[in-house]
Amino acid sequence: GENVEQHPSTLSVQEGDSAVIKCTYSDSASNYFPWYKQELGKRPQLIIDIRSNVGEKKDQRIAVTLNKTAKHFSLHITETQPEDSAVYFCACKPTGSNYQLIWGAGTKLIIKP
Amino acid sequence: DTAVSQTPKYLVTQMGNDKSIKCEQNLGHDTMYWYKQDSKKFLKIMFSYNNKELIINETVPNRFSPKSPDKAHLNLHINSLELGDSAVYFCASSPIGGGDEQYFGPGTRLTVT
Repeated sequence: GENVEQHPSTLSVQEGDSAVIKCTYSDSASNYFPWYKQELGKRPQLIIDIRSNVGEKKDQRIAVTLNKTAKHFSLHITETQPEDSAVYFCACKPTGSNYQLIWGAGTKLIIKP
Repeated sequence: DTAVSQTPKYLVTQMGNDKSIKCEQNLGHDTMYWYKQDSKKFLKIMFSYNNKELIINETVPNRFSPKSPDKAHLNLHINSLELGDSAVYFCASSPIGGGDEQYFGPGTRLTVT
C-alpha cells in the first residue's frame, strides 16, 4: 500500500529564514497532496494542497512543489514568523481510494526569535 | 456556527470503564472520520463512514465501536478502557472523501488512569 515518509521530524529555524519540509510517497498514481498545520493544543487545519497535474502552488508565504518523477513534494515557508511554530503534516491520496488519506509522521517546526 | 464539534473535550476515566465520544458536523458532508493522535503526534486513521456506511476500518481493537446514526453524526464507543488508549481523538469530515479538505473537530483528550 501507499507509504508517506516525512522529513525532518523536527526543524528549528531563525525567525525570518525559510523552512522546507519534504515528503516522499510510494504510489506513483497518487493524485492529491495536502499539507496540514497543527498548532499546540489545536486541531489540524489545511494550509495548502496540490493536485498531480500541477507542479507548484503558492499562497503568500507558503508554497508546495510536487516532483512526480521523484515522487516527492515539499512545503516551503518563507520569512518565517513566530506564529509558524507548529507541527506540519503532509498527506496523499492513494490510487483507488476516494476516502482515505495516507499521512506523514509530522514535522515540528520551531521558529527561534 | 461550529463546523465539526466533539464532546466531551476532556475525558478522564479509570481502566476497565466504558466511555463514548460524540461528533457532529453541520457542513453537510458525506464522509466522517475518527483519528487517534498519541503523544508522538502521529495521526492514525481508525474509522471512516460515508453516508452512514462504514468504509474504512483500520486495525483497531474491537473494543472500539463507531456508530453513525445519520450522516451528520459519528460517535465512538470504547469498552474496557486500557492505559494505552490515552490519546487525543479527533473527528473529521470531508465533502466526498480523501480527495478534498478534511475538517477536524477540536479533539477529545482521553486520559485513562
